[in-house]
Amino acid sequence: DTEVTQTPKHLVMGMTNKKSLKCEQHMGHRAMYWYKQKAKKPPELMFVYSYEKLSINESVPSRFSPECPNSSLLNLHLHALQPEDSALYLCASSQGGGRTLGNTIYFGEGSWLTVV
Amino acid sequence: DAKTTQPPSMDCAEGRAANLPCNHSTISGNEYVYWYRQIHSQGPQYIIHGLKNNETNEMASLIITEDRKSSTLILPHATLRDTAVYYCIVRVAFNNNNDMRFGAGTRLTVKP
Repeated sequence: DTEVTQTPKHLVMGMTNKKSLKCEQHMGHRAMYWYKQKAKKPPELMFVYSYEKLSINESVPSRFSPECPNSSLLNLHLHALQPEDSALYLCASSQGGGRTLGNTIYFGEGSWLTVV
Repeated sequence: DAKTTQPPSMDCAEGRAANLPCNHSTISGNEYVYWYRQIHSQGPQYIIHGLKNNETNEMASLIITEDRKSSTLILPHATLRDTAVYYCIVRVAFNNNNDMRFGAGTRLTVKP
């Protein structure tokens, strides 16, 4: 089972709203990721958590706030977004952590975000 | 992680083999070659990965040149459902930071 579940699948929010994207995996993976993908572009890495600690932040604006409450869950809190933040947000996970050989990353189906 | 170069687009006839090339001339000895694909509006799907030996699974075969500077992903009998963007990525085998970054990929169109 290589399933990463993301909710909601679609989200429309105003620029003053606060919302969250959620991601869950039950594969025992210890690394979790957020990617952002604009239309016709490749996914861009945003954040990486390893063992529930933030290990990579790709200089993402503070209006995006990640949270890893436990090893199975990853949230992305959204506040005061701009219309240009509209995109597909992808969550992923991998065994991760330390010296892991052949560290394959598995993706969820994504959450489509529209900021109006 | 090393950068990769892929053709932006390719066509393939249904039922024929699709051969997708990737150049990674600056690959390091401890970097694996990974292939993912992304079907329209879906999350990227893992296909296969390898270090230096050729690899095969139920989805595809991966051929890596002896000098490891290039590789080819082979879909042996392409179907219309294989139409997707295919990404070739090289990343270290032991990745304490667990990062993976995508290049532009190849848009494969399988035609009837």
